[in-house]
Order: sequence, then C-alpha cells, then structure tokens
Amino acid sequence: DAKTTQPPSMDCAEGRAANLPCNHSTISGNEYVYWYRQIHSQGPQYIIHGLKNNETNEMASLIITEDRKSSTLILPHATLRDTAVYYCIALDRGSTLGRLYFGRGTQLTVWP
Amino acid sequence: KAGVTQTPRYLIKTRGQQVTLSCSPISGHRSVSWYQQTPGQGLQFLFEYFSETQRNKGNFPGRFSGRQFSNSRSEMNVSTLELGDSALYLCASSLAGDRAFFGQGTRLTVV
Repeated sequence: DAKTTQPPSMDCAEGRAANLPCNHSTISGNEYVYWYRQIHSQGPQYIIHGLKNNETNEMASLIITEDRKSSTLILPHATLRDTAVYYCIALDRGSTLGRLYFGRGTQLTVWP
Repeated sequence: KAGVTQTPRYLIKTRGQQVTLSCSPISGHRSVSWYQQTPGQGLQFLFEYFSETQRNKGNFPGRFSGRQFSNSRSEMNVSTLELGDSALYLCASSLAGDRAFFGQGTRLTVV
C-alpha cells in the first residue's frame, strides 16, 4: 500500500472549514484513498473514501487531485467535536486483507 | 444495527499472566481485524480473520494469537504478558476488509 504523508497538526476555528491535506505521490491505480479519524481514547471512525472522483457524504468532502498524488479532506463547518486525529490511508481493496496502515495522522484541534 | 462490541473495556494483569480479549463484530461482517495502539508505536496491525481463517498477520511475536468462531466473533490471546504489552487493543469488523468499523477497545494494563 502507498505511503501517505500528513502534517502532524492543524487547528481551525469553530464554524470554519477545516481542510486537511494528504500526500500520496506513490499511489497506484488500484489504490483508494480512505480517511478515518480517532477521537481521544475511542476507536477510529470511518469518514469517507474515493478513487479519483471527488466524494461527499454527511460528514465531509474528499477532493482528489487529477494526478491522484494528493487529496484534501474538508470538514465544511468544524465543531469542537471534530477535534481528533485524522488518518489518510491509501489501500488496494483487493489485497488489503483487513490490514489498514495508520501513520501518525494529523491532530486537528478546533478552537472556540 | 449494533456496533462492534469489545469486552472487557478495561483490564489489569500481572507480568507473566495471559489474557483473552473478545470482539463481537457487526452482524453480517465476516472480517475481523485486531490492532494494538500505544503512544510510542501508534496503531499497529496484529492480525485479521475472515470466515474463521487467519488471512493476514502483522509483525508481532507468537505470544499474540487469535481465533474466529463460526458466528464471526473473535478472540485474541496474549500469553506471558510483558509490561510493553500495555496498550489499547482495538477490534475492527468489515464486510471484506476495507471499510472498517472499530470497537471502543480494551485498555490493558500490565503491572
């Protein structure tokens, strides 16, 4: 699975959009980009995933660049409850066999 | 739909003892993965079971083992506990191993 690179920390004002970047320059054509988050001392929570098209769900939007070498997770109106570590994972769904590679992620702090 | 349930939530054991942790996946999910989370190493993959077979294994010593039952429930066992085994142990279930749903974890403290 492709290695991803994320900034270690970011902060955002409550009510503003939080834009979390992820670099995955070695991603292969079969690999999807997945985002999870982990609120302190809880299990990680799935947010969204995509292959090459932009995706949106009730939690967030995922913007993938045309060359697929990077992506951005957007939380449109961040709340204090969005404070968490966010993980970007690139994986081949056909061969993952249940293994997700979690790097260090980005600690997002939303302040009032 | 009930989520992933892990028991117990907290556990304190003594060095040298063994421990068994339990995970009940979401109904219909056949893949169960286990992870260890420590402040120093982050989230590390232990192993994955699918339809009672271990399909994938991380880089952990043989003291860490697991199994899956016919109803997809899974257990993991750690024998001869060491202080370094103190961690949050997380179980995740999925239909096929990609989009995973995690439990709240079992916090194991070895003293």
